[in-house]
Amino acid sequence: AQKITQTQPGMFVQEKEAVTLDCTYDTSDPSYGLFWYKQPSSGEMIFLIYQGSYDQQNATEGRYSLNFQKARKSANLVISASQLGDSAMYFCAMREGQAGSARQLTFGSGTQLTVLP
Amino acid sequence: GAGVSQSPSNKVTEKGKDVELRCDPISGHTALYWYRQSLGQGLEFLIYFQGNSAPDKSGLPSDRFSAERTGGSVSTLTIQRTQQEDSAVYLCASSLPGDLNQPQHFGDGTRLSIL
Repeated sequence: AQKITQTQPGMFVQEKEAVTLDCTYDTSDPSYGLFWYKQPSSGEMIFLIYQGSYDQQNATEGRYSLNFQKARKSANLVISASQLGDSAMYFCAMREGQAGSARQLTFGSGTQLTVLP
Repeated sequence: GAGVSQSPSNKVTEKGKDVELRCDPISGHTALYWYRQSLGQGLEFLIYFQGNSAPDKSGLPSDRFSAERTGGSVSTLTIQRTQQEDSAVYLCASSLPGDLNQPQHFGDGTRLSIL
C-alpha cells in the first residue's frame, strides 16, 4: 500500500487566490512527521513546512499552512495568495519513528501546481 | 552558510561503465541520505548514514549500488556496470540528528544519463 498518496497530478490556480494540495498518509506508527517540499523546474528540493503527529495545532509558515486531520490521516497544504513563483512540483513526505531516530522520508508522487496570471 | 553540495551536476556515461557521485553535507549534519528521482516521479530512498552507525542500505535497488561516507562527512554513491534504467537524478540530503521534526536539506542533485 502507498504510504503517501497525492491524488492531484496537476492543479491550476489564479494568481492571488488560495489553493489546497491534498495529501493522505498511511502509518501504524504513533510517532511520525509530515513534510511538504517544493521542487521548481530548476530541480532543487525546498523544505516548506512540518507537522508532527503529536502537534495540537496546524503548522503555519508565512503563506503556507498545513490542514492536519489526524483521524482522516490527511495533511493538506494550503497556499494563500498564490504567486507566479509558486508554480512548481509539490511533494508531501512522511518520516516515521521515535524521537532520536532520524529516518528517511517517504515521498508521494507529487502535484504540479501552475499559477495563472 | 553553505548548503548540501553535489558533484558532478550532470554525468553522461555509457552503459556498463562505473560512476561515482559525490555529496558534501551541511557542516554539523550527521545524518546523510541518498535518494533517486526518476523522470516525473517522486523520490525513492536509497541509503542512509547516521554518524558512525552502520548505514541503512535497505533502499539500494541492486548490488551494483554502494555508498560510503568517510570521516562522517563526504559521501560517495557508486554505481557499477551502469544500466539504462539507472538514468535518474540522484539527490543527497542531510539533516541534524534526532527528532522527527528535523527537515532534510537537499542538494541540487546529479543528473545521470546512461547511453
